[in-house]
Amino acid sequence: GAVVSQHPSRVICKSGTSVKIECRSLDFQATTMFWYRQFPKQSLMLMATSNEGSKATYEQGVEKDKFLINHASLTLSTLTVTSAHPEDSSFYICSAIRPIGTDTQYFGPGTRLTVL
Amino acid sequence: TQLLEQSPQFLSIQEGENLTVYCNSSSVFSSLQWYRQEPGEGPVLLVTVVTGGEVKKLKRLTFQFGDARKDSSLHITAAQPGDTGLYLCAGSMKTSYDKVIFGPGTSLSVIP
Repeated sequence: GAVVSQHPSRVICKSGTSVKIECRSLDFQATTMFWYRQFPKQSLMLMATSNEGSKATYEQGVEKDKFLINHASLTLSTLTVTSAHPEDSSFYICSAIRPIGTDTQYFGPGTRLTVL
Repeated sequence: TQLLEQSPQFLSIQEGENLTVYCNSSSVFSSLQWYRQEPGEGPVLLVTVVTGGEVKKLKRLTFQFGDARKDSSLHITAAQPGDTGLYLCAGSMKTSYDKVIFGPGTSLSVIP
């Protein structure tokens, strides 16, 4: 199956700092990637859709200046949590659509962010 | 408003029992996926169903897509402790961004 990686897998930072999370599609090119947030024992909440070469599309209620998304190449999208606060602590997961005719998303392993 | 509903939300069964998880919506989806997620990891794709009425089997797992492409079910035969996890259904709605809507998930625990 398709492989999507995320880095780092875990990060702890101080309140007020910025954190960058990378999402890479390792064996296919992805024009579209997605960023999700997941709270404990809950489902995935879509934050934004990342399109290569254009601005990301944010879901309602997600601050685009807080969660900066850059999709600079067909295999890399980054999510930067700016001026992080404890309430930003969460599990962040990216996914990428493999262009094989269906809308199947392949997910990265997730990044656990803890803001102290 | 939750576009996709899943039931049950929590399920705890003994090893060897059978179970069915349901995914329902009032919306029509172009395709529907089932994922399984373990704590601290990303969801892993189990199956994608595209055609109304489609049935797919993956070892002890049987997936069915409703005729109207609004609902789906996942049936597990002779559950094993390794089946424990969060099962998520996700429906794809054809938009310019290929957005996928996730259900709230079914947390399955199989007791040895």
